[in-house]
Amino acid sequence: ETGVTQTPRHLVMGMTNKKSLKCEQHLGHNAMYWYKQSAKKPLELMFVYNFKEQTENNSVPSRFSPECPNSSHLFLHLHTLQPEDSALYLCASSQDQGGAGANVLTFGAGSRLTVL
Amino acid sequence: SQQGEEDPQALSIQEGENATMNCSYKTSINNLQWYRQNSGRGLVHLILIRSNEREKHSGRLRVTLDTSKKSSSLLITASRAADTASYFCATRQAGTALIFGKGTTLSVSS
Repeated sequence: ETGVTQTPRHLVMGMTNKKSLKCEQHLGHNAMYWYKQSAKKPLELMFVYNFKEQTENNSVPSRFSPECPNSSHLFLHLHTLQPEDSALYLCASSQDQGGAGANVLTFGAGSRLTVL
Repeated sequence: SQQGEEDPQALSIQEGENATMNCSYKTSINNLQWYRQNSGRGLVHLILIRSNEREKHSGRLRVTLDTSKKSSSLLITASRAADTASYFCATRQAGTALIFGKGTTLSVSS
């Protein structure tokens, strides 16, 4: 794996369920990201955390709730999702997110979410 | 809003041929990056080119950047079946997160 581990790899949930996606990075990075990848659409940036502080929320519905307890861990809490939320959710990390740095991302393998 | 847009959306070639993918973007950038994604997996960083650079090489990859036209190209020389994947360009403005395009799906047949 790439140094960014996502669990679970596959998740099927009903619209009334509550579940969480987990991301862990072992690279010593300070920024972590959630992206959503749906078929035939560009990757959509959802949230950014830099040094544990949320720096971007890209107008994501409140049924998605991120949590970043430390620079190595990132969660995405899911509740009352819709079928259109079915997608591949990708976690990524980078050295940091601010300033004029390169901001090269290391991605996890993704969590494939299906909402029934 | 989408910043980078790749062209073509899909490309099919034979092993040994070169593959060229293009990326256009709308606003000024700090750097442009290319990533590769194998089916259903995460993206892998391939190469980065800064706004003050015009060309970079990495193995069989060659990237060009034309800031006046707001475009970039990725050339893969002597393609192999293992190069079959989706390729994405991503742009970064200062202080912002990377914004990705829809990608080009490359199929290399042996």
